[in-house]
Amino acid sequence: EDQVTQSPEALRLQEGESSSLNCSYTVSGLRGLFWYRQDPGKGPEFLFTLYSAGEEKEKERLKATLTKKESFLHITAPKPEDSATYLCAVRDYGNNRLAFGKGNQVVVIP
Amino acid sequence: DSGVTQTPKHLITATGQRVTLRCSPRSGDLSVYWYQQSLDQGLQFLIQYYNGEERAKGNILERFSAQQFPDLHSELNLSSLELGDSALYFCASTGGGTDTQYFGPGTRLTVL
Repeated sequence: EDQVTQSPEALRLQEGESSSLNCSYTVSGLRGLFWYRQDPGKGPEFLFTLYSAGEEKEKERLKATLTKKESFLHITAPKPEDSATYLCAVRDYGNNRLAFGKGNQVVVIP
Repeated sequence: DSGVTQTPKHLITATGQRVTLRCSPRSGDLSVYWYQQSLDQGLQFLIQYYNGEERAKGNILERFSAQQFPDLHSELNLSSLELGDSALYFCASTGGGTDTQYFGPGTRLTVL
């Protein structure tokens, strides 16, 4: 069974204080690793898909990287609007479902 | 806006009742997925439909069922509701050669 563990569970950052979120995964054959952003009471918003170790994707202040065992979401010089829960999910070759971690709750203080 | 719509936004009902949640996928998407999100469990996959046929089942209770109609919208039926069924229910859709799942805004179900 696919397993996804995210750490830290919660993170408070000062505005401009860069940090990284970790997503460790166990999957039989990785078909894709997905990062989503979720605001309270809203649906997950797609950020990135990574397919192979060494791949990196960037969007504004966010950068996602992938190794064979984990992914990192780096937040550079965060702003208060980056406050959200960031969800990591994996999909393996055996099925179409996404297996999600419990998320990293990020609060950026002005 | 992901292009996926869900109705209703909120639903409050009593234990033992039955409700139906509705999802319309993005235009052209053939696959619909249903997920349940509770505070302690995170997002859990329930079931997937592709072009009207069930494709995969996850942790879906026997009291829950779903279907996808010819116009590709999907409904999730929850019956004999219990307090523990209170959660956010999301649907997502994929299609057009991408495996990225785009999520709707969700339905918040409260069972009293």
